[in-house]
Amino acid sequence: GESVGLHLPTLSVQEGDNSIINCAYSNSASDYFIWYKQESGKGPQFIIDIRSNMDKRQGQRVTVLLNKTVKHLSLQIAATQPGDSAVYFCAEGFSGGYNKLIFGAGTRLAVHP
Amino acid sequence: GAVVSQHPSWVICKSGTSVKIECRSLDFQATTMFWYRQFPKQSLMLMATSNEGSKATYEQGVEKDKFLINHASLTLSTLTVTSAHPEDSSFYICSVHGGPHRTDTQYFGPGTRLTVL
Repeated sequence: GESVGLHLPTLSVQEGDNSIINCAYSNSASDYFIWYKQESGKGPQFIIDIRSNMDKRQGQRVTVLLNKTVKHLSLQIAATQPGDSAVYFCAEGFSGGYNKLIFGAGTRLAVHP
Repeated sequence: GAVVSQHPSWVICKSGTSVKIECRSLDFQATTMFWYRQFPKQSLMLMATSNEGSKATYEQGVEKDKFLINHASLTLSTLTVTSAHPEDSSFYICSVHGGPHRTDTQYFGPGTRLTVL
């Protein structure tokens, strides 16, 4: 049988709805955070990032929110489109940590027409 | 962001052979590149940090003699999987730290699918 942990959590949304993908990070010393989108068989694609001295940052159709108190990060996608279907990863980094990133487990976003 | 390529995009080899994967930064001179491995339905796991002109830094549990990394120029890093076995079958992805317009993030290559028979 399949092992626990090999199933990515999935968020299913209707086309045109807003999507919110959540992420809990682990290191309170992390000072920057990045969201990546990964389509099947491809490398991760940079979406948006945020520094720890901010709590919100907006891009084109995307917004990232950072709550350092509870070590929580979210990605909001407005007017979700079928092309947004992918796996989304959050990553945390520490400027003093040789620029290494620690990736979260990922969330699969499924957009239905 | 930085444009990163990998070659080959996929490779199938026999158990016991060695496979070399190239990672190129096409529009940016990268002093630091990273190599990741990703198993199906799992997240990216950092294997090593590749530093131009010096030895790579490996993460705990990654065998440096099995996964040879060479970063001989500012635009090329190579990962060689030596004496590959079926358990080495995975998706290998490299990234570049920084880019022509940003200095504080990582941009990824398209990945290389390795299948060891």
